[in-house]
Amino acid sequence: DAGVIQSPRHEVTEMGQEVTLRCKPISGHDYLFWYRQTMMRGLELLIYFNNNVPIDDSGMPEDRFSAKMPNASFSTLKIQPSEPRDSAVYFCASSLTGGGISYEQYFGPGTRLTVT
Amino acid sequence: AQRVTQPEKLLSVFKGAPVELKCNYSYSGSPELFWYVQYSRQRLQLLLRHISRESIKGFTADLNKGETSFHLKKPFAQEEDSAMYYCALNTGFQKLVFGTGTRLLVSP
Repeated sequence: DAGVIQSPRHEVTEMGQEVTLRCKPISGHDYLFWYRQTMMRGLELLIYFNNNVPIDDSGMPEDRFSAKMPNASFSTLKIQPSEPRDSAVYFCASSLTGGGISYEQYFGPGTRLTVT
Repeated sequence: AQRVTQPEKLLSVFKGAPVELKCNYSYSGSPELFWYVQYSRQRLQLLLRHISRESIKGFTADLNKGETSFHLKKPFAQEEDSAMYYCALNTGFQKLVFGTGTRLLVSP
């Protein structure tokens, strides 16, 4: 298994442009998480899904951010319009559930986004 | 408020010295805590969780509910321990709150 797959690995775009980040979770995992990592704030949870349904999007910073999970093997995080302060590394992670305990979250390699 | 605090952004030690990465949490329920690690050019990965009470790569972490702490310790640091370490708290339904991370630098 290649683990969690994210694309693109690097994205450079101009302010105002739409950016779409993609994630393929590990097969069989029913939780999917989107995080943002910055030097100042560390790792922040943006949104997460269970069985393709958004459970908690309270971490999404603004309406400019949206996320979808149309099926169990694909999710997108979209920023429209992008701003320089959105520059960060965006991680996708997936995990299993069950037994009332937290299973390990498996992280993707991240997408480094730079908005100029 | 549910919060994880890692007071040190950078911890620099020499090889063979003891290491303690601090983590304090704020949570009203029964806490479930983790340490995740990110080595250079590698993915963020789970190092250990408090319910397992295990030692991984020589690291241990004990949950102290009285002090609301979950410090990560290793008696003798190795150069390969240099990495970014994140403490995380499960706030329910698989949702993790991470601290801001501590970069550990082990010098020869």
